[in-house]
Amino acid sequence: QVQLVQSGAEVKKPGSSVKVSCKASGGTFSIYAISWVRQAPGQGLEWMGGIIPIFGTANYAQDFQGRVTITADISTSTVYMDLSGLGSEDTAVYYCARGPSDSNAYYYFYWGQGTLVTVSS
Amino acid sequence: EIVLTQSPGTLSLSPGERTTLSCRASQSISSRYLAWYQQKPGQAPRLLIYGASSRATGIPDRFSGSGSGTDFTLTISRLEPEDFAVYYCQQYGSSPYTFGQGTNLEIK
Repeated sequence: QVQLVQSGAEVKKPGSSVKVSCKASGGTFSIYAISWVRQAPGQGLEWMGGIIPIFGTANYAQDFQGRVTITADISTSTVYMDLSGLGSEDTAVYYCARGPSDSNAYYYFYWGQGTLVTVSS
Repeated sequence: EIVLTQSPGTLSLSPGERTTLSCRASQSISSRYLAWYQQKPGQAPRLLIYGASSRATGIPDRFSGSGSGTDFTLTISRLEPEDFAVYYCQQYGSSPYTFGQGTNLEIK
C-alpha cells in the first residue's frame, strides 16, 4: 500500500523560504508523478506543480513559476517542495499527492497528510 | 490555463435525495481527463471519479460521473449522511492541472 508522509508544520517569516518533504513508501517510487497541491484556509485546491522522479524535471503552474522548486531524491523516495518569497497569502496546507499504481496521469489517489505552513511576522 | 467553474456553490439537500453537481471548463478537456474529489473538514481530498466516468477503487456505485468536452457532471444517486462534504473537479489533460472552486454539499 502506497503511503505519503509529509514533514511537520512550519511557521515562517514573510520573505523567507520553506521546504516541505514528502516521503513515499510501498510500490515503485521513481516512475510515478508526484504533485504538490495547496489549500489556503477556507479555500479551494490549487495545483502548484509536479515531478516524475526518474526524469527529474518538474512542471510548475505559472502562478508559482520562479518561486517554487520541486525536486526528488530517488535514493530516499522523497519529493521536496521549496517555496521562496513567502507572503501571508502562502499560509496554507500543502499536500503531496500521487496517482494510482496503474496510471501516471496527474490525478490523485494517494495523498499525504498535509503540512500547515503559516507565514507570520 | 483551463478554468473550471463548478455550480452550484452550495447545495442543501436531505439524505436519500439525488443530486447532480456541474463542472464547466473554459475549453475542451482532452480525452475526458476530468476527475472528481470529495473533501471533508480536516482531511485530504478523496478521489471519486477519473476519466470523467470511471469510479476509483472503493467508491460506492451511488457515485457516477459523465460528460465530455466542456461539460461534466457528478451524480450521487441517493445521498448518505457521509456524503455531505465539499466536491471538487479537476482537469488533468493540460498543464496546469487546475481544480474547480468546489461545491459545498450540506445537510438541509
